Amino acid sequence: EAGVVQSPRYKIIEKKQPVAFWCNPISGHNTLYWYLQNLGQGPELLIRYENEEAVDDSQLPKDRFSAERLKGVDSTLKIQPAELGDSAVYLCASSLHGTSFLSNEQFFGPGTRLTVL
Amino acid sequence: AQSVTQLDSHVSVSEGTPVLLRCNYSSSYSPSLFWYVQHPNKGLQLLLKYTSAATLVKGINGFEAEFKKSETSFHLTKPSAHMSDAAEYFCVVSNYNQGGKLIFGQGTELSVKP
Repeated sequence: EAGVVQSPRYKIIEKKQPVAFWCNPISGHNTLYWYLQNLGQGPELLIRYENEEAVDDSQLPKDRFSAERLKGVDSTLKIQPAELGDSAVYLCASSLHGTSFLSNEQFFGPGTRLTVL
Repeated sequence: AQSVTQLDSHVSVSEGTPVLLRCNYSSSYSPSLFWYVQHPNKGLQLLLKYTSAATLVKGINGFEAEFKKSETSFHLTKPSAHMSDAAEYFCVVSNYNQGGKLIFGQGTELSVKP
């Protein structure tokens, strides 16, 4: 079974440029998560989708970040414009259900490492 | 509010010796607790989880953790370290009442010396 797929794995851009990350969750997983992981820290949730609905985007900086999951399967996270402080690893995860207590194990992709120059 | 404190940012052990990675948590509700491992350039992998069943939880690769409510701790242990255990380890707290949102600790880097 394929795991969570993310692309690209690495991205280097100049500040003020736009950038997009793509995630394809495990087949059949209804819940999709985007996390931000700064160097030397644990991941922090940016947004959680239940199917195509964003049910928790309280930590997403909406002035420059946007996300979509139009058909409830794959998802795109965008930053426009990027700032130096956005350099980090962006992780995608999926789970079978988001609210089911016993089955909310999250499976993580390898991440996209963004460097903003 | 929930939070996790990993008491050591870096732990170094010799191969074949025991591993202890310490974690304290804070939660207003009965928490679920997890340990994840992150190898370089790889995704986070679940080692084990506590979900209010047995307080001693066994995970993959010989790791185990004990939930101690009185001490609000969930320390990760392994009797004998292997070179392949070298990685970053994250203690995580979650709460069903908040939609299963994961709150990560800052991580402990484990080094294993030959």
